[in-house]
Amino acid sequence: KAGVTQTPRYLIKTRGQQVTLSCSPISGHRSVSWYQQTPGQGLQFLFEYFSETQRNKGNFPGRFSGRQFSNSRSEMNVSTLELGDSALYLCASSTGGGPPYSPLHFGNGTRLTVT
Amino acid sequence: AQRVTQPEKLLSVFKGAPVELKCNYSYSGSPELFWYVQYSRQRLQLLLRHISRESIKGFTADLNKGETSFHLKKPFAQEEDSAMYYCALPSYGQNFVFGPGTRLSVLP
Repeated sequence: KAGVTQTPRYLIKTRGQQVTLSCSPISGHRSVSWYQQTPGQGLQFLFEYFSETQRNKGNFPGRFSGRQFSNSRSEMNVSTLELGDSALYLCASSTGGGPPYSPLHFGNGTRLTVT
Repeated sequence: AQRVTQPEKLLSVFKGAPVELKCNYSYSGSPELFWYVQYSRQRLQLLLRHISRESIKGFTADLNKGETSFHLKKPFAQEEDSAMYYCALPSYGQNFVFGPGTRLSVLP
């Protein structure tokens, strides 16, 4: 099975711009989660989509949004970029069940740099 | 609220020595704990989960509800075990709370 694929791998944007990141989950996985990883805050949960519905959301401002399509592919959008949004954004897919919770399968991430 | 702590940012051991990576959690419900590992230049991947009660690459972890811990252990460390290790605690909606991580360095 192909793993979780994230595109693009690297992005450089300017403050105030917006950005869209894409994630293709493992075939058959209906849950897609997004995480932000920074040296200072570690891995932080952004949100999770299951069958095109947002089931859970972390403590991030409304500038961070996402969606999931009928084929389970997901996109994450960040509007009005700030310098502090520079991070590695990880997508993870799973079967979405739980408890007991199914493990997350991670992509390689998108490295976003905001200048 | 859920919380996961890993007190050591860096742990260095010699090859062949035992290793223990500590993980403590706070959670009001019935916890499920996971260990994830990230080797150099590779993606974050599952190492083991407590409900499977299995040993992966020689690593084991036991959930101790009394001490709210899920420490990762291996009796004889290998150089290829050098990596970043994260303890994680999930809740509804695949919201996994990750600890800050411990970098394990196995010296030759």
